[in-house]
Amino acid sequence: GQNIDQPTEMTATEGAIVQINCTYQTSGFNGLFWYQQHAGEAPTFLSYNVLDGLEEKGRFSSFLSRSKGYSYLLLKELQMKDSASYLCAVTLRNTNAGKSTFGDGTTLTVKP
Amino acid sequence: EPEVTQTPSHQVTQMGQEVILRCVPISNHLYFYWYRQILGQKVEFLVSFYNNEISEKSEIFDDQFSVERPDGSNFTLKIRSTKLEDSAMYFCASIKEVNTEAFFGQGTRLTVV
Repeated sequence: GQNIDQPTEMTATEGAIVQINCTYQTSGFNGLFWYQQHAGEAPTFLSYNVLDGLEEKGRFSSFLSRSKGYSYLLLKELQMKDSASYLCAVTLRNTNAGKSTFGDGTTLTVKP
Repeated sequence: EPEVTQTPSHQVTQMGQEVILRCVPISNHLYFYWYRQILGQKVEFLVSFYNNEISEKSEIFDDQFSVERPDGSNFTLKIRSTKLEDSAMYFCASIKEVNTEAFFGQGTRLTVV
């Protein structure tokens, strides 16, 4: 089976930096996605890591360590609109399904 | 920008009734999915569909559920004999290739009463 852990809730201040962690235990790991989900809306893609290291995309960066089963999403210069749930999702090798298995999500609240 | 569309956006049905949730995936995508999200809970995988057949399904996806791609554009999820616990948001998603980003529809909120 697969186990994906994320903190349930986080709070940060507008303009600050926040790091949302995700740890996973799974066999046949291939890659890790981060999605953003505003309340009542669909998840939207933020990043995908398959190799170790940091991927930067504007204010958002994502890091992966395959050996540690660990990833984080880094959000810089926080804005109020960044208040949302952030979902960590893993995919496996050797499958023609391509499905993602999601963690419970981290609800981020950005305060003024 | 291409998008995944789902209809209806809301569906209220009586327990025991059958519902069909409809999705139009992005046209050049090859892999299609249904996910479920019970209010306040995680996004759960139901089923994946590739090359006109189910490629994987979760333990949630029992005989009550079925999927179809009847005409090369629509992708439907049928829930027979709905139960109260089927109340959830149902998301359709599609991807172009394995291990690429999933594009999600806006979801159908199903309420079973």
